[in-house]
Amino acid sequence: ILNVEQSPQSLHVQEGDSTNFTCSFPSSNFYALHWYRWETAKSPEALFVMTLNGDEKKKGRISATLNTKEGYSYLYIKGSQPEDSATYLCAVMEYGNKLVFGAGTILRVKS
Amino acid sequence: GAGVSQTPSNKVTEKGKYVELRCDPISGHTALYWYRQSLGQGPEFLIYFQGTGAADDSGLPNDRFFAVRPEGSVSTLKIQRTERGDSAVYLCASSTRGGRGSYNEQFFGPGTRLTVL
Repeated sequence: ILNVEQSPQSLHVQEGDSTNFTCSFPSSNFYALHWYRWETAKSPEALFVMTLNGDEKKKGRISATLNTKEGYSYLYIKGSQPEDSATYLCAVMEYGNKLVFGAGTILRVKS
Repeated sequence: GAGVSQTPSNKVTEKGKYVELRCDPISGHTALYWYRQSLGQGPEFLIYFQGTGAADDSGLPNDRFFAVRPEGSVSTLKIQRTERGDSAVYLCASSTRGGRGSYNEQFFGPGTRLTVL
């Protein structure tokens, strides 16, 4: 059974702080990794889809890296803003279709 | 353009009742997925449709859960004899295609929050 773990479970930071989260997964049978951002009462929003070992992706102040050999991905947020407050979900896709999600990291940014 | 929509946004029911949850995917998306998020956990896969057929229903917890997609567009998740443990947020997602060889982005709806009293 594929097990995806995220840490930390929650994070409280001050506006302007940079922060990072970790997603760990078994390196065998890996196909793709997805990062989502989920604000309360809204739809989960896709941030990145990553497939290759060493992949680095960036969108504004948010970036992510992928290491498929050791089974982890990092998500970085530079200069956190209150609007970054959300749950950040990591999901691994085995060959095919369904996503296996971690429990998420809850980020709260105080102004 | 319109995203994935789900109705109702909230549903409160009593233990033992039957409920239906509806998902309208993005137009043209052939793949449709249902997930369930229980408190404190990440979303958990339930079922995946490719067109009208259920390509993978391995995540349905038991035979009280059933889903259909008769015309390859709208899908309905049906739960019979609801139990308190069924309380969760039910998420629907769609993508342009699914299946082996695909890692297409899945676009999610806002979910239906089901509460079983």
